[in-house]
Amino acid sequence: KQEVTQIPAALSVPEGENLVLNCSFTDSAIYNLQWFRQDPGKGLTSLLLIQSSQREQTSGRLNASLDKSSGRSTLYIAASQPGDSATYLCAVSRSWGKFQFGAGTQVVVTP
Amino acid sequence: GAVVSQHPSWVICKSGTSVKIECRSLDFQATTMFWYRQFPKQSLMLMATSNEGSKATYEQGVEKDKFLINHASLTLSTLTVTSAHPEDSSFYICSAREGRNPDQYFGPGTRLTVL
Repeated sequence: KQEVTQIPAALSVPEGENLVLNCSFTDSAIYNLQWFRQDPGKGLTSLLLIQSSQREQTSGRLNASLDKSSGRSTLYIAASQPGDSATYLCAVSRSWGKFQFGAGTQVVVTP
Repeated sequence: GAVVSQHPSWVICKSGTSVKIECRSLDFQATTMFWYRQFPKQSLMLMATSNEGSKATYEQGVEKDKFLINHASLTLSTLTVTSAHPEDSSFYICSAREGRNPDQYFGPGTRLTVL
């Protein structure tokens, strides 16, 4: 059974610092991996989707890497801002469209 | 981008009653929809997958007679929590996908509180 782990569970950084969020999964036979953002009491916002054949994806200040063989993905957020405060979820898909989520990393960026 | 809506955004009901949650794709045809639930401080857990016009496929441990899913059209799926109990209180989120498009779009979620 696939297990997805996110470390750390919570992170607090001053504005301007870079954020590094880690995600690990036990079964490397994944279809894709996706990073989401969730604000309190809200739904999910997709940040980056990495197909199993890709090593990384970038969007603005966000960069996500994928090492399928070691079962790891890292989300980097450069020059953090208070608006980046949220919970970040990592999810892996084994079969078409069915995601297994990690518990998330709660991020607080202080001004 | 594609938009998925959910209604209601929050609902409070008495124990023993049934609650229906709607999930709509507003600008694309949702051939497949997924229902998740999220307990406080926990991550999302997939409950079931539904394809338009077919019966839903439930994940292990999810009671199909308690969580009724209907996906009768390409833009609407409903989740009915029957005879709700306080332990069913949770945040329910749907997502939708069109055809073979790998992109999946999530709804804003519905907060259910059972008293």
